[in-house]
Amino acid sequence: QKEVEQNSGPLSVPEGAIASLNCTYSDRVSQSFFWYRQYSGKSPELIMSIYSNGDKEDGRFTAQLNKASQYVSLLIRDSQPSDSATYLCAVSPNDYKLSFGAGTTVTVRA
Amino acid sequence: EAGVAQSPRYKIIEKRQSVAFWCNPISGHATLYWYQQILGQGPKLLIQFQNNGVVDDSQLPKDRFSAERLKGVDSTLKIQPAKLEDSAVYLCASSLRNTYEQYFGPGTRLTVT
Repeated sequence: QKEVEQNSGPLSVPEGAIASLNCTYSDRVSQSFFWYRQYSGKSPELIMSIYSNGDKEDGRFTAQLNKASQYVSLLIRDSQPSDSATYLCAVSPNDYKLSFGAGTTVTVRA
Repeated sequence: EAGVAQSPRYKIIEKRQSVAFWCNPISGHATLYWYQQILGQGPKLLIQFQNNGVVDDSQLPKDRFSAERLKGVDSTLKIQPAKLEDSAVYLCASSLRNTYEQYFGPGTRLTVT
């Protein structure tokens, strides 16, 4: 069983729409959760971190965490063509090591 | 502030050959990570250093992979001998001690033929 699973892509959304990305994890001791953005041919870049249940908003990005359901999501509001990238979910049991999902590729159509 | 530096950016070798990758972390970052990212997959941690000591190398194929971080700054990752399945991007990342924010280098794309 994969430790971190993300919804399979690619996900195509029109410009201005909301992109919704999902991630589930198997290790119940996971305490810290992250979303990385990776443009094609580039390295991952941290865009969001969340540590407690609920929502966390940063600009057009909202991360949602539900530890009971072992579920974390990322919403991208008002999607722009520059948001076209692969989004990686990462989890950690608080030992500063990250386990990554395979990523979901998002394409924003102009 | 300079980012994480890696070299080479690209490398093509034949199977059974050896290869080495170099990483220079952000100045002051005590923790250094090497990841392997196979096409279509997320990064997989190979080894984690804290200063010049190994914290975790449980996913490093030790029969062919080795890594060192002498003096707690630069690090090298070596593969000997390489296999076809080692074709991947090798990412180096660094972070301040006991923090989660990891900064990734540009990676080295390895192709084994």
